[in-house]
Amino acid sequence: GAVVSQHPSRVICKSGTSVKIECRSLDFQATTMFWYRQFPKKSLMLMATSNEGSKATYEQGVEKDKFLINHASLTLSTLTVTSAHPEDSSFYICSARAREDAVYNEQFFGPGTRLTVL
Amino acid sequence: AQSVSQHNHHVILSEAASLELGCNYSYGGTVNLFWYVQYPGQHLQLLLKYFSGDPLVKGIKGFEAEFIKSKFSFNLRKPSVQWSDTAEYFCAVTNTGGFKTIFGAGTRLFVKA
Repeated sequence: GAVVSQHPSRVICKSGTSVKIECRSLDFQATTMFWYRQFPKKSLMLMATSNEGSKATYEQGVEKDKFLINHASLTLSTLTVTSAHPEDSSFYICSARAREDAVYNEQFFGPGTRLTVL
Repeated sequence: AQSVSQHNHHVILSEAASLELGCNYSYGGTVNLFWYVQYPGQHLQLLLKYFSGDPLVKGIKGFEAEFIKSKFSFNLRKPSVQWSDTAEYFCAVTNTGGFKTIFGAGTRLFVKA
């Protein structure tokens, strides 16, 4: 149980284009989803937290207009990187948390999406 | 601010050697603690977690970790590593009732066959 999928797994795009990444909880309802960015040889950095039906809460330094997050249902959250530039190239990971896991913040992670902006 | 420190960035061991990866955190309140593993080309998986109770927790694949509150530590151990344990290991901390998990920088373990 507790499987989280991400699509696509890899994407290459031209500078200036927008890219959408989907995160789905396959066998549970995710009231909260998190988006992380992982730099090479570094840890995961939380970008934003999204609760179903609400606006996302962004971490300091993350541009909300550049990284659009939508959590329209209990099983789907999307991250759209708008007007992508080479410095946005990274590994983006989502995680999902069910309501009953909120107290302990136990999350289940997706496999990640490798974004390369040319 | 909360932070998590993993002291070893790279560890190389031979098979059957014992493993201990250090993790220290800075937060004064009650915390929930996690160790995650990321095998090459795969996603993060939960190894073990501590919420309350016995400070020595056992996880999957023979791993265990001990929470020492006085030292703000949650070190990961395995008595005898295998080649298949080659992976990156992340320690993570959440304050109880909080919404944010802080990850350590990770430790890359390479086990020589």
